[in-house]
Amino acid sequence: AQKVTQAQTEISVVEKEDVTLDCVYETRDTTYYLFWYKQPPSGELVFLIRRNSFDEQNEISGRYSWNFQKSTSSFNFTITASQVVDSAVYFCALSDLSETSGSRLTFGEGTQLTVNP
Amino acid sequence: DSGVTQTPKHLITATGQRVTLRCSPRSGDLSVYWYQQSLDQGLQFLIHYYNGEERAKGNILERFSAQQFPDLHSELNLSSLELGDSALYFCASSLDRRANEKLFFGSGTQLSVL
Repeated sequence: AQKVTQAQTEISVVEKEDVTLDCVYETRDTTYYLFWYKQPPSGELVFLIRRNSFDEQNEISGRYSWNFQKSTSSFNFTITASQVVDSAVYFCALSDLSETSGSRLTFGEGTQLTVNP
Repeated sequence: DSGVTQTPKHLITATGQRVTLRCSPRSGDLSVYWYQQSLDQGLQFLIHYYNGEERAKGNILERFSAQQFPDLHSELNLSSLELGDSALYFCASSLDRRANEKLFFGSGTQLSVL
């Protein structure tokens, strides 16, 4: 069975600090996809990034960066120079690769990030 | 705005009742997914429809059912409601049915069973 663990339930930082959200996953599949979604206070889940298991290259998008390490089954997310608008719940998710199940996601428990001014 | 519309936004009902949640996917998307978000269970996949056909079931109770209509909108029916069914129910859509697709989520329906 697939499992995603986000050990950090809540993180609180001061604006402009860097913050890393941890994600550890378990899967028996050799090919899989990992995702990060953001849930702001408005409630809607917003896609941030996807990564396939064959691509371990780290990715940077503005203040966001992701570190995928297959050897440790981790897919960590770093926000550089955090801003108040980054306050949200962040979910890491793993996709079942079965063609019949589409993008059926197993979500982690989520990390509540609060950025204080 | 994700382009996915869910109605109603809030629903308050009593135990034993039946409710229907509605979802309109983004224009052109063929897949619709339903997820449940609760404090004790987190975000859980319920069911996936692709172009009118059921493709996968997750942790969906037998009291719950869903369907996707020819115009691609979907409905999630919850019956014999219990207190524990209180949760935020999300609908999401994607263009196709591949495992690597990003999902576009609606704003959810907050169900409160009293």
